[in-house]
Amino acid sequence: DAMVIQNPRYQVTQFGKPVTLSCSQTLNHNVMYWYQQKSSQAPKLLFHYYDKDFNNEADTPDNFQSRRPNTSFCFLDIRSPGLGDAAMYLCATSRDSRWQTYEQYFGPGTRLTVT
Amino acid sequence: GENVGLHLPTLSVQEGDNSIINCAYSNSASDYFIWYKQESGKGPQFIIDIRSNMDKRQGQRVTVLLNKTVKHLSLQIAATQPGDSAVYFCAELLQGAQKLVFGQGTRLTINP
Repeated sequence: DAMVIQNPRYQVTQFGKPVTLSCSQTLNHNVMYWYQQKSSQAPKLLFHYYDKDFNNEADTPDNFQSRRPNTSFCFLDIRSPGLGDAAMYLCATSRDSRWQTYEQYFGPGTRLTVT
Repeated sequence: GENVGLHLPTLSVQEGDNSIINCAYSNSASDYFIWYKQESGKGPQFIIDIRSNMDKRQGQRVTVLLNKTVKHLSLQIAATQPGDSAVYFCAELLQGAQKLVFGQGTRLTINP
């Protein structure tokens, strides 16, 4: 089945130790997103790639970076995780064009714990 | 604006009853709306969408109503089942923006 895959599902990292979360998709969608979701809150968009074009949200901390080496893969790098970065990180994809917007498909998420 | 809600609105319904979850959206220029269901520990799952040129759309056991005059969106779930227990988010999207804005979310609890 075509899907959005996130690895790992659970990640524990130490305060200040860089961590990378990965996302892959078999949908061949051109847009990939990273969201942060804290308990009992809505997902908050960090950034997205429209094809190879990176679009950062104005309030996304510099501590968060992303890479998209090809259509299928996208990575979230947290350079120096703080306790406040503990959250669920969701990857999503969509097949947008300049004339039409479609729904976003979400992966299962990676729950990040910072110790 | 920033969603800072720490306590989700909660809706409790009896199994078999119909549920109506409401959402107020913020941008009158938004032209595409989606309802997502999120179960505990999982990513949001697409339920149904509607574009601004429509005021009603039906799926399997679900109906979405859009009232652009008052910027209101609702999700109706017919004959609610235990598996419907989840948090439901509405989301709006401005054409060409490629950016979903999520509502606060509503926790739906099904009573046996």
